[in-house]
Amino acid sequence: QVQLQESGPALLKPSQTLSLTCTVSGGSISSGGYYWSWVRQRPGKGLEWLGDIFNSGNTHYNPSLRSRLTMSLDTSKNQFSLNVSSVTVADTAVYHCARVKVGGTTFLDHWGQGTLVTVSS
Amino acid sequence: EVVLTQSPGTLSLSPGERATLSCRASQSVSSSFLTWYQQKPGQTPRLLIYGASIRATGIPDRFSGSGSGTDFSLTISRLEPEDFAVYFCQHYGSSRLTFGGGTKVEIK
Repeated sequence: QVQLQESGPALLKPSQTLSLTCTVSGGSISSGGYYWSWVRQRPGKGLEWLGDIFNSGNTHYNPSLRSRLTMSLDTSKNQFSLNVSSVTVADTAVYHCARVKVGGTTFLDHWGQGTLVTVSS
Repeated sequence: EVVLTQSPGTLSLSPGERATLSCRASQSVSSSFLTWYQQKPGQTPRLLIYGASIRATGIPDRFSGSGSGTDFSLTISRLEPEDFAVYFCQHYGSSRLTFGGGTKVEIK
């Protein structure tokens, strides 16, 4: 059974860079047929897709946040990461990593529990 | 960019009643890439339906999805106490994933 676990800071100050890591167990991030994704949920709000990274290292980002996002893979550790630069209070959210099954259809089939990140001065 | 609009925002029903949730896309999309999730407070979203109408593993048959083009729906035939939650639709296309704003199904 694939499991994903986010890790990173719980509290940041405005203008800092948020760095999150997702550790995958029970499956390899090098496997074909999947993207690896980040999704966030602001308090009391809906789900917002941030971006995907493929096993090749290619990325897709949410256009509204593209300039501040960087995703990367570390296949040796079976991890993928997200950096969000110049954070503001509006970046306060629960950040989830997830596996995206792709092919004839595309959906998020496994999610991490999520990590709450608060941006406050 | 595909925008997904879910309605109603909140649905107040009693256990045993039928729930019908709507997800409307701003342009025609392939039903293959339309997905529904359930989320309970403090929990991770749970995959319910993919390909617009295919139930995920372990999902009870009281959940069904339908639709095509721009109009999709999720139906819960008889609400069980554990079905009161928020439901999101989601689409993947043009290298971008989008979510609807969600419908909360609450106990009347």
